[in-house]
Amino acid sequence: GAGVSQSPSNKVTEKGKDVELRCDPISGHTALYWYRQSLGQGLEFLIYFQGNSAPDKSGLPSDRFSAERTGGSVSTLTIQRTQQEDSAVYLCASSLGGTATEKLFFGSGTQLSVL
Amino acid sequence: GNSVTQMEGPVTLSEEAFLTINCTYTATGYPSLFWYVQYPGEGLQLLLKATKADDKGSNKGFEATYRKETTSFHLEKGSVQVSDSAVYFCALSAGVSGNTPLVFGKGTRLSVIA
Repeated sequence: GAGVSQSPSNKVTEKGKDVELRCDPISGHTALYWYRQSLGQGLEFLIYFQGNSAPDKSGLPSDRFSAERTGGSVSTLTIQRTQQEDSAVYLCASSLGGTATEKLFFGSGTQLSVL
Repeated sequence: GNSVTQMEGPVTLSEEAFLTINCTYTATGYPSLFWYVQYPGEGLQLLLKATKADDKGSNKGFEATYRKETTSFHLEKGSVQVSDSAVYFCALSAGVSGNTPLVFGKGTRLSVIA
């Protein structure tokens, strides 16, 4: 596609429910990142996929959070048993090769609200 | 670990004023440094970058110089416009190959008034 696509753009859920957030990166990009943007907290790194390598999960805040990337393309971030503190904008980004000097292309994000 | 500290906002300036947003970093090795911008209602996008010491990144009238001696990458613009109103994020990426997710600062909101 032309850019990084995320869906849904907005998600309202009740505390304790599971949610799935989807990211479709730019075609051909091998690296895919998930970040969380909370008010006053900036961007918090969650997880990073690079090609067929094992993902870097070092930023996931708890075991309620997981992500997968199928076929090296689309990625799904799953939050189980959502809590109110999970409310944030979840951003996905991709880059061509995942090297340190590359530009990241960001999607518009999913605004998650946990009631 | 790697981290970025940028000045807290919000910053409010009149049109044509001089802008400086301070950014300092802590990193192992020799990171690449970036400024990303998020305009209202839009996704983050790269504004400029510098990949080694003394490099200057520039774009849209903005500049930032990679200063290894002061571990800084301050963003400057000589004359801001209303259209520059946005949130600006300083970021670094350490390492020369994969497994280098960007580390971001908390962002600085800039409002430019006519």
